[in-house]
Amino acid sequence: GAVVSQHPSWVICKSGTSVKIECRSLDFQATTMFWYRQFPKQSLMLMATSNEGSKATYEQGVEKDKFLINHASLTLSTLTVTSAHPEDSSFYICSARGDTHQETQYFGPGTRLLVL
Amino acid sequence: GQNIDQPTEMTATEGAIVQINCTYQTSGFNGLFWYQQHAGEAPTFLSYNVLDGLEEKGRFSSFLSRSKGYSYLLLKELQMKDSASDLCAVMDSNYQLIWGAGTKLIIKP
Repeated sequence: GAVVSQHPSWVICKSGTSVKIECRSLDFQATTMFWYRQFPKQSLMLMATSNEGSKATYEQGVEKDKFLINHASLTLSTLTVTSAHPEDSSFYICSARGDTHQETQYFGPGTRLLVL
Repeated sequence: GQNIDQPTEMTATEGAIVQINCTYQTSGFNGLFWYQQHAGEAPTFLSYNVLDGLEEKGRFSSFLSRSKGYSYLLLKELQMKDSASDLCAVMDSNYQLIWGAGTKLIIKP
């Protein structure tokens, strides 16, 4: 149980384009989803927390107009990187916390974004 | 401020035992987690401690002392596949996870 999927696993795009990443909880309802970014050999950095049906809460320094988060259902959250630039190239990972085992976050496999 | 400390890197031998320590100072405490992250992959959940004491799960054990702000992850019968970063994270009073930088565990034959 507690499986989280992400799509796509890899994306390469041109500078200035927008990229959408999906995060799905497959066998539980995710009341809260989290989006992280991780640069090579660095720690996980929390970008934002989203609760189903409400606006995401962004961490300090994360531009909400650049990283659009939608958590429209209890099983799906999306992160859209708008007007991506090479410095946005990173490993984006979502996690989900459900209505059972409420403490534990389960991670998706991550999405590698390369902006050329 | 909130702080999680764990060693940057540890080396151990296949078949041996290794203990990775984690100390924390956070605003409130709602549990401590250990996650494992292999290179190029997302973290996977290992353990959760909210009460003092030792939790054992197969080759992995996790210990917590809330009064000391201290935890450790104990890995027994080390295997080469245990080479990974082990991440300590504490859930604070707002139910947010505060992450340590991770301990890179290197297993040698």
